[in-house]
Amino acid sequence: AQSVTQLDSQVPVFEEAPVELRCNYSSSVSVYLFWYVQYPNQGLQLLLKYLSGSTLVKGINGFEAEFNKSQTSFHLRKPSVHISDTAEYFCAVSSMNSGYSTLTFGKGTMLLVSP
Amino acid sequence: GAGVSQSPSNKVTEKGKDVELRCDPISGHTALYWYRQSLGQGLEFLIYFQGNSAPDKSGLPSDRFSAERTGGSVSTLTIQRTQQEDSAVYLCASNLLGQPNEKLFFGSGTQLSVL
Repeated sequence: AQSVTQLDSQVPVFEEAPVELRCNYSSSVSVYLFWYVQYPNQGLQLLLKYLSGSTLVKGINGFEAEFNKSQTSFHLRKPSVHISDTAEYFCAVSSMNSGYSTLTFGKGTMLLVSP
Repeated sequence: GAGVSQSPSNKVTEKGKDVELRCDPISGHTALYWYRQSLGQGLEFLIYFQGNSAPDKSGLPSDRFSAERTGGSVSTLTIQRTQQEDSAVYLCASNLLGQPNEKLFFGSGTQLSVL
């Protein structure tokens, strides 16, 4: 079984400030890790994913995330946010052992960027 | 099509009525998923289709829920005798092969409101 915990349901931040959205996971097997973003009234889209190799992963729109195996974390960061980054962010894991994509999502973190 | 298409975008129904939600995946994608997104609950996996294989129905919450995928393309999610707790956004996603390291392409969802 696998689970994902996103510790913050809402993160308010001012424009141009840095932000970190936290994600911790639990799994009995090795997993792939993903961050998806959902802009208002839109479907989810992939921000970035960690499959293997370098633990620092860069994604679209200036976001990056770092995989920390010992802490079972995959926190998302951006050094300077824009108003347009206001959205809901979902962390997800997928078991490497599964024959297909068994994505388990966290409950989401709403990022609210204000001027 | 260019993306995953879902219809209707909004559906209001009365308790006890049946509803059908439609998903048209990206052309050529063999894998199709249905998720349910409830307020503050993240995304809940419902069902997975892969090619002509038997679907994984392990996420369907009750026998009132069913889904089919005709001709390996369009899928319909049916909810019979709707209840108020069925109110949620129903999301459809697809990808090329259904592998655990592949990203999912999501539709914009159907907002279901059961009165």
